[in-house]
Amino acid sequence: QSVLTQPPSASGTPGQRVTISCSGSSSNIGSNTVNWYQQLPGTAPKLLIYSNNQRPSGVPDRFSGSKSGTSASLAISGLQSEDEADYYCAAWDDSLNGLVFGTGTKVTVL
Amino acid sequence: QVTLRESGPALVKPTQTLTLTCTFSGFSLSTSGMCVSWIRQPPGKALEWLARIDWDDDKYYSTSLKTRLTISKDTSKNQVVLTMTNMDPVDTATYYCARIPNVYDSSGYDYWGQGTLVTVSS
Repeated sequence: QSVLTQPPSASGTPGQRVTISCSGSSSNIGSNTVNWYQQLPGTAPKLLIYSNNQRPSGVPDRFSGSKSGTSASLAISGLQSEDEADYYCAAWDDSLNGLVFGTGTKVTVL
Repeated sequence: QVTLRESGPALVKPTQTLTLTCTFSGFSLSTSGMCVSWIRQPPGKALEWLARIDWDDDKYYSTSLKTRLTISKDTSKNQVVLTMTNMDPVDTATYYCARIPNVYDSSGYDYWGQGTLVTVSS
């Protein structure tokens, strides 16, 4: 079950900035770091952002993450066609003593 | 080079027990901070975290599936095994294994297997 809430979809034209929200609670986002994953069609998820706002080596700086209170956000600036994918947030939940994923957001490049 | 590969049956019958193996290379699960998890994704649906095993043999399970799951490791074989009992058609999903290189620095799942589709049907 997903306890982190994301909008089902987001879209933009090439070059635009798109922001995806991830809403949680005090037991997950409020007390632990957030990671973001990108899943291209038919492939395994890929780590996009870790520890709220850190990019792994090789991830373009067009992708950025932030966290405030019990919510987090992923921003994609300079949207490109290859960014069309599903995006998931994730955080450890202290009450469940396990990881929780977001509901996922499908990004479409118009 | 880090790789993970899932293996197991593609088809199981309802009520049967599923056993999946994650065989990995390029790292050791005896390294402090290292963890391997199982994560699944039903067709067209979101990711769902199932279980995690740590370098020190600590284990964590999804609360909703805890009674049905067992995760274990064989460090000498570089394998992590997940068993799920009493399979149901709703358990039809692609099952992934993934690693956390250092749980202490919130590094996230940096490498994933390609996933294996398991269908539950009679």
